[in-house]
Amino acid sequence: DAGVIQSPRHEVTEMGQEVTLRCKPISGHDYLFWYRQTMMRGLELLIYFNNNVPIDDSGMPEDRFSAKMPNASFSTLKIQPSEPRDSAVYFCASSLHSAKNIQYFGAGTRLSVL
Amino acid sequence: EDKVVQSPLSLVVHEGDTVTLNCSYEVTNFRSLLWYKQEKKAPTFLFMLTSSGIEKKSGRLSSILDKKELFSILNITATQTGDSAVYLCVREDSNYQLIWGAGTKLIIKP
Repeated sequence: DAGVIQSPRHEVTEMGQEVTLRCKPISGHDYLFWYRQTMMRGLELLIYFNNNVPIDDSGMPEDRFSAKMPNASFSTLKIQPSEPRDSAVYFCASSLHSAKNIQYFGAGTRLSVL
Repeated sequence: EDKVVQSPLSLVVHEGDTVTLNCSYEVTNFRSLLWYKQEKKAPTFLFMLTSSGIEKKSGRLSSILDKKELFSILNITATQTGDSAVYLCVREDSNYQLIWGAGTKLIIKP
């Protein structure tokens, strides 16, 4: 298995632009998680899905952030409009229903908002 | 407050040394405690602990949990430069929520 695949690996954009991050979870995994990691705040859970349904989005910082999972093999995290404080590494992770806490992470997307 | 506290925040040792990383948590609402290793990219799973006093071991790494005192330790013996990473402790509560610690940054000098 190729593991969790995220794209793009790096994204540089200007304040106010829309940013879309993509994730392909491991085939057969029931859970998908979106995290944000910064030096100041560490790893923060933004939202997670179970069988494509959003379960907990309490970590989404504000309405500028939205996430979708249209099918079992694809999810997006969108920021519109982006701000410099959104600069971070965004990770996607997936796990099995039988072991939700053992998560497999993608390589991350490093986002820089200028 | 529901926190996971790791110590030290950073640690520099020489190759061959043994290190102990600490993780404490503040509530008894508990299902499991996990350790992850994060090198330059994504965190990777190391151990999951659910019972007190039972050591989990993988090569030079081992971990143990004390549910009474609400802490866990991660030991690495005969450290190598490849052990340099951030080690993350995570608590899973009874609602299956994960609370992540800030991590311990370990640097192994040759």
